[in-house]
Amino acid sequence: EAGVAQSPRYKIIEKRQSVAFWCNPISGHATLYWYQQILGQGPKLLIQFQNNGVVDDSQLPKDRFSAERLKGVDSTLKIQPAKLEDSAVYLCASSLGRSLGNTIYFGEGSWLTVV
Amino acid sequence: AQSVSQHNHHVILSEAASLELGCNYSYGGTVNLFWYVQYPGQHLQLLLKYFSGDPLVKGIKGFEAEFIKSKFSFNLRKPSVQWSDTAEYFCAVTSGGATNKLIFGTGTLLAVQP
Repeated sequence: EAGVAQSPRYKIIEKRQSVAFWCNPISGHATLYWYQQILGQGPKLLIQFQNNGVVDDSQLPKDRFSAERLKGVDSTLKIQPAKLEDSAVYLCASSLGRSLGNTIYFGEGSWLTVV
Repeated sequence: AQSVSQHNHHVILSEAASLELGCNYSYGGTVNLFWYVQYPGQHLQLLLKYFSGDPLVKGIKGFEAEFIKSKFSFNLRKPSVQWSDTAEYFCAVTSGGATNKLIFGTGTLLAVQP
């Protein structure tokens, strides 16, 4: 079974530039998550989608971060303009549904360095 | 708000040593608890989870964890570690309600020396 795919794996940008990350969840998974993992910390949920609707974006810095999942499958996370503190690994994850019994599967992450 | 504490940030063990990683959570109500592992260069994987029932939960690769409600703890254990257990281990808890929103601890980096 194919896992959660993410691209690009690594990105270096200058501050104030923009960047976009792409995620393809496991086939059939209705729920998609974007987490941010800063070095030395655990992953923090940025946004959760159920199909193409947003379930939770309470920790998404909406002045610079945006995410969409237009057709309920792939998703993109955009940062514009980037700040130094956005340097982190951006993890995409998916699950069959959003009830507690569903295991969350993670991708390998997209590493962002802002210089 | 829910929070998770992992007090061991770095642990170094020799092969065959026993392992116990601490995890404490803050919420006093019904909780669902998880341990995830991240091997070098790989994605986060679920080791084990506790929803209800037997507080001693067995996971993959010989790992187990015990839910102690009175101590707000969910410690991870393995009787004899191997070099291949070198990884970062994350404890996580759901935030309450019926959604799958995980709150992670800061992680424990385990290095097993051959």
